[in-house]
Amino acid sequence: SYELTQPPSVSVSPGQTARITCSGDALPKQYAYWYQQKPGQAPVLVIYKDSERPSGIPERFSGSSSGTTVTLTISGVQAEDEADYYCQSADSSGTYGVFGGGTKLTVL
Amino acid sequence: QVQLQESGPGLVKPSGTLSLTCAVSGGSISSSNWWSWVRQPPGKGLEWIGEIYHSGSTNYNPSLKSRVTISVDKSKNQFSLKLSSVTAADTAVYYCARGRIALNWFDPWGQGTLVTVSS
Repeated sequence: SYELTQPPSVSVSPGQTARITCSGDALPKQYAYWYQQKPGQAPVLVIYKDSERPSGIPERFSGSSSGTTVTLTISGVQAEDEADYYCQSADSSGTYGVFGGGTKLTVL
Repeated sequence: QVQLQESGPGLVKPSGTLSLTCAVSGGSISSSNWWSWVRQPPGKGLEWIGEIYHSGSTNYNPSLKSRVTISVDKSKNQFSLKLSSVTAADTAVYYCARGRIALNWFDPWGQGTLVTVSS
């Protein structure tokens, strides 16, 4: 079965830049999507199609893709950005989709 | 804008069947969208369960396929999940969402409902 790999945790100080990676063999062929989930809340889409930002999502959130890795970048991290972040994508055939294991972002 | 709301029993006995409904408001379930169920065990990550189109076409997570049924009721603008032969491992927050796991993103999501499997 297809898998997406994320680091379990990332820590940054306020105002710094956080980068959360997601790796998968099919990422050169398939779009990736990113979700933010705060405790006790449903996930919220923050990036779609690798780098597009939904309306209402702050400009400090951006996405990029390079080979088998996609990256969610949060510039000028704020305390309110502390949350779990999940990537989502599909296998090379577009048949099976999965979520990454999630990354806990801690704002120091 | 479209809003989703899950409903159903919060407690299910082991070996029983978990049944949840997702009511769609602010839009039609018969629009060109797929509708999905996603779950999250306490303290763990997201797991896609399955998806349905208003025509009734479905796709399921292979790991759950033998126990899952997703159906749609266009007259009530809602879709439903049934998961049979549940065990404690099925204890989770269950979310409904608009979207298709392999071809697009999930947005919006319902608020989620905790289902506990216990005797």
